[in-house]
Amino acid sequence: QSVLTQPPSVSAAPGQRVTISCSGSSSNIGNNYVSWYQQLPRTAPKLLIYDNNKRPSGIPDRFSGSKSGTSATLGISGLQTGDEADYYCGTWDSSLSAMIFGGGTKVTVL
Amino acid sequence: QVQLQESGPGLVKPSETLSLTCTVSGVSISSYYWSWIRQPPGRGLEWIGFIYTSGGTTYNPSLRSRVTISLDTSKKQFSLKLSSVIAADSAMYYCVGTTVVTAAGTSNWFDPWGQGTLVTVSS
Repeated sequence: QSVLTQPPSVSAAPGQRVTISCSGSSSNIGNNYVSWYQQLPRTAPKLLIYDNNKRPSGIPDRFSGSKSGTSATLGISGLQTGDEADYYCGTWDSSLSAMIFGGGTKVTVL
Repeated sequence: QVQLQESGPGLVKPSETLSLTCTVSGVSISSYYWSWIRQPPGRGLEWIGFIYTSGGTTYNPSLRSRVTISLDTSKKQFSLKLSSVIAADSAMYYCVGTTVVTAAGTSNWFDPWGQGTLVTVSS
């Protein structure tokens, strides 16, 4: 069981918007920064968001991140079939002194 | 461009030591911390630990007693050793460049990633 809680799956039609939540505590999300990763089938994860809401070069602005208190959210707008993937949140846990990940959320485009 | 390539045996016997090496190209070895992350088949990501260019290390407490990460700057390689492996250590193992910033909270992010190497623990 992950320290960070994500919904196992979310789905929406093409063009719609989905949000993925990542819930933690004061020892992790509450006092540290969150990153998000996309893992397409049979590939390595890819960084989507760092520092809660910053996008690396090359990541489209359809992907957005936010943080409030001990929760973070990844938003994907204008959903495309190519967005079908697993998405993971990650952050540092100050109590564990470890980097931790959520359990992952599978996005399905209907 | 930056490339990370994992190498090592794909099959390890129970109780033995898993050894993997990551070769870095296209970037200075001092540009990042260097992590190992694993993913059991069909499951989520688990951070194993990272090494700084000074040679210092931080390990996941759940694996600390069995893990050693080392760095060879002259070869632009870093390595993972996991001792006393069991079937639950079977996973895809990724080597990953890691950025760590500590100021009003800790910011870590993982990029770039190697393609991963599958290690199976079985007799």
